[in-house]
Amino acid sequence: AQSVTQLDSQVPVFEEAPVELRCNYSSSVSVYLFWYVQYPNQGLQLLLKYLSGSTLVKGINGFEAEFNKSQTSFHLRKPSVHISDTAEYFCAVILNQAGTALIFGKGTTLSVSS
Amino acid sequence: DGGITQSPKYLFRKEGQNVTLSCEQNLNHDAMYWYRQDPGQGLRLIYYSQIVNDFQKGDIAEGYSVSREKKESFPLTVTSAQKNPTAFYLCASSVGTGTNTGELFFGEGSRLTVL
Repeated sequence: AQSVTQLDSQVPVFEEAPVELRCNYSSSVSVYLFWYVQYPNQGLQLLLKYLSGSTLVKGINGFEAEFNKSQTSFHLRKPSVHISDTAEYFCAVILNQAGTALIFGKGTTLSVSS
Repeated sequence: DGGITQSPKYLFRKEGQNVTLSCEQNLNHDAMYWYRQDPGQGLRLIYYSQIVNDFQKGDIAEGYSVSREKKESFPLTVTSAQKNPTAFYLCASSVGTGTNTGELFFGEGSRLTVL
C-alpha cells in the first residue's frame, strides 16, 4: 500500500525567507503526486501536481515542487514567502491505476511572521 | 458557478443520534469522496464513489454510511456506532478515473461536534 510522510508538522519562517516543505512517499507502483493548501476553516485547494514529464513542477502562488524518483520525494518550495502563505499544506499521492483514491499526508503548518 | 456545496457548515449532535451531512456538486464529476480531518492526522478517507449506485469503503468506514443515488449527490451519515465522531468532514469530487482522478475539488467542509 502506498503512504505519504510529511517530515515536518510545523514550519515557522519570517516573511520573504525561502521555505521548503518536505514530503516522502512509498509505493511499489508508479504514482501521481500532489500538493494541496488549506486556509483556516476551508476546504483544500490544489497547488500543483506531478503526473509525468519534467520533474520540476510549478504551481500557483509562486510555489514549485521537484519529483525525485530515486529518493521518493516531492518537496515543495517557495523562494520568498508572504504572510498570506500561512496555511496548512498537504502532500498527497494516488496510484497510477483506475479505481483508487487520493492518500494524504498528515499536513505541515506553515506559519509566516513579519 | 460550478462547485461543491456541503451543508450544514456546523452541526451539533447528542451522543446516540445519527446525523447526515449533505454534499452536492454541479461539476458533472463522476467520482465523489468523503474525508475526515482531525488535528495532526491529515485527511483520512471514509468512503468514495466512482459512479452512481456504487461506492467503496475507505480506511475508516466503520460507523459511517453513504449512498450515491444521483451523480451530483453523495450524502454521508454518521451513525451512533461511530465512537468518536467529532471532526471536520470534507467532501470532494473529481472527473473520474485516469490522470484526472487525483485532482480533487473540495467543499468548504462540515464541522460536527458531539455533545
